[in-house]
Amino acid sequence: AQSVTQLGSHVSVSEGALVLLRCNYSSSVPPYLFWYVQYPNQGLQLLLKYTTGATLVKGINGFEAEFKKSETSFHLTKPSAHMSDAAEYFCAVRKVTSSGDKLTFGTGTRLAVRP
Amino acid sequence: KAGVTQTPRYLIKTRGQQVTLSCSPISGHRSVSWYQQTPGQGLQFLFEYFSETQRNKGNFPGRFSGRQFSNSRSEMNVSTLELGDSALYLCASSLGPGAVGTEAFFGQGTRLTVV
Repeated sequence: AQSVTQLGSHVSVSEGALVLLRCNYSSSVPPYLFWYVQYPNQGLQLLLKYTTGATLVKGINGFEAEFKKSETSFHLTKPSAHMSDAAEYFCAVRKVTSSGDKLTFGTGTRLAVRP
Repeated sequence: KAGVTQTPRYLIKTRGQQVTLSCSPISGHRSVSWYQQTPGQGLQFLFEYFSETQRNKGNFPGRFSGRQFSNSRSEMNVSTLELGDSALYLCASSLGPGAVGTEAFFGQGTRLTVV
């Protein structure tokens, strides 16, 4: 079974500081990994994805993530936090089989940005 | 290109009633998935539809059902509502099986409150 663990349900950083949100996955096959962001009362917006190829993936709004197979990790980073980054972030792994396709999400990390 | 459209955005229902939620996927997308989001359980997969067929189902009681129409639009129905069904229901659309490198796009969600 595939699963995702996000370490830290709440992370607080100062504006301009490094953002690091942690995600570890469990998958029996090469995973398809995603980071989504959710603003209050909104749906999920895709930040970035890893499928195959380059292990350092760049996304929108200055975010990037590195796929590390040896550590089964897919941590999300941003060099300099902005107030508008305050939101909830979800890591997800996608399982695709002949009988179906679904995303399994982590429990989410709420990012607060202090002025 | 229009995004994923979910209607209505907000609903208030009474215990015991039933409710139908609607999702229009992105044009050209043939796969629609539904997720339930609650503070206690996080994001949980409900079911996935492709070409009017349910391909995959999560661990929810039979009160939760869905369908997909020939134009890929999908509806989900919850019968005999319980207080615990209060949640944000999210719909995601994607190209479908075979397009494994692509991502799912989410709608804004329907906020269901059961009183």
